[in-house]
Amino acid sequence: QSALTQPPSASGSPGQSVTISCTGTNRDVGGYDYVSWYQQHPGKAPKLIIFDVDKRPSGVPDRFSASKSGNTASLTVSGLQAEDEADYYCNSYAGSDNLVFGGGTKLTVL
Amino acid sequence: EMQLVESGGGLVQPGGSLRLSCEVSGFTGSDSYLTWVRQPPGRGLEWVSVIYRGGSTYYADSVKGRFTTSRDGSKNTLYLQMSSVRPDDTAIYYCARRPSTSWGLDYWGQGTLVTVSA
Repeated sequence: QSALTQPPSASGSPGQSVTISCTGTNRDVGGYDYVSWYQQHPGKAPKLIIFDVDKRPSGVPDRFSASKSGNTASLTVSGLQAEDEADYYCNSYAGSDNLVFGGGTKLTVL
Repeated sequence: EMQLVESGGGLVQPGGSLRLSCEVSGFTGSDSYLTWVRQPPGRGLEWVSVIYRGGSTYYADSVKGRFTTSRDGSKNTLYLQMSSVRPDDTAIYYCARRPSTSWGLDYWGQGTLVTVSA
């Protein structure tokens, strides 16, 4: 159950786009279309922003999009806004009814 | 409104035990799988366990044999019994729901802090 690999940090200016990667193996990210992404502001509980690789829950802006290729999933935030500054975590089903999270990426809006 | 509220956190000595509770409201157990996720202070999220509607439970290797997840349907409450705790179990513990039809934890509690220290 090794954590998925995310870059520790990412940044962009308001209005720009930024992409965060999440790399696993064929036993998790690459093996199932069960990737989700979470946004977490300081002191708050995580919030689901993407499920089933590329689906957005109701209420999540379409500025958030996601995809998967092989063992790597990606989250793109377009039209960056100040409130997008947060920690982002990917998650994947890892077989045997286990889930695994990425280490998290701190997104800074410059 | 769907809501999860954790309680039971606190200070516990290494080797001790603690039981966390998560009161669930607004959705039924038949369409929900309940999960525990923890977050050490200043660090990332770690999946801990899941309980399915049939009562089957699964655990992360880091807690297997020490933690037990259960639920009381009559009280709409999820539990995490923590035993033989270690300092590296120190974390905010969240309960979260995954709907049975998709893969994403869509509702989370506010978390409860567990500190393992002498």
